[in-house]
Amino acid sequence: QQPVQSPQAVILREGEDAVINCSSSKALYSVHWYRQKHGEAPVFLMILLKGGEQKGHDKISASFNEKKQQSSLYLTASQLSYSGTYFCGTLGTYKYIFGTGTRLKVLA
Amino acid sequence: GAGVSQSPSNKVTEKGKDVELRCDPISGHTALYWYRQSLGQGLEFLIYFQGNSAPDKSGLPSDRFSAERTGGSVSTLTIQRTQQEDSAVYLCASSFDPGSYNSPLHFGNGTRLTVT
Repeated sequence: QQPVQSPQAVILREGEDAVINCSSSKALYSVHWYRQKHGEAPVFLMILLKGGEQKGHDKISASFNEKKQQSSLYLTASQLSYSGTYFCGTLGTYKYIFGTGTRLKVLA
Repeated sequence: GAGVSQSPSNKVTEKGKDVELRCDPISGHTALYWYRQSLGQGLEFLIYFQGNSAPDKSGLPSDRFSAERTGGSVSTLTIQRTQQEDSAVYLCASSFDPGSYNSPLHFGNGTRLTVT
C-alpha cells in the first residue's frame, strides 16, 4: 500500500540532474512531494493533481501520470541545498501515506 | 499559531515509564496526523484526527499507544510502559482540509524520544 520510491539513494555532483520516481499499487488522485533535511521536519515542495499536470519550483519540477499510478520528481542543475530525503505523499481514505523515501546527497 | 508546535522537543525516559507528547496544530487546520520516524527510516503513519475524532487508529503499534484531541485543536500522544523500541522521532502534522487533494501537510519539528 505504501508507494515505492526509486532510487533508494543517489549521490550527485553540484550541477548534475536527478530523477526520483514514486509508484503506487493503488490509484493515485494526487501526489505531494516533500523534502526532509537531516534533523529537520519534512517540508512541502509541490502538489500534482490528476491530468498529467507538471509543476515547477525553482529548478525542481514534477510530473504525474495517474494511469501509470506514478509520479516523477526532476531536479535540474542540483545545488548543495538540494541534499536531503525526498518523500512522495498521497491521500487515501483517512490516511495520508508517504513513500519509502529517496536519500539524495549533492557533493561540491 | 504560525506553525505546528510540538513539545517537548526531546524526551529521555526510563523503560517502563509513561510519556505524553503534545502537538498544537496550525489554527484552523481540521486534520491532524501523528507519524513515527526511526533513525534513518521513513515516515510511519500512527493515527489521524478529523476534528476530535479518529476514524483510523490502525497505525498505532500496540495498545500501549493512545492519542486524543480536544477542542479540535491540541492533541496528545501517550505511550504507556515505554520500551526501547519506542525510541524514535514522533512527528505531528496538520492540514487545512483533509478531504481536499490540494491540502498538503505542515509538520512540527518533532519530539525525539529516547527510552533507556
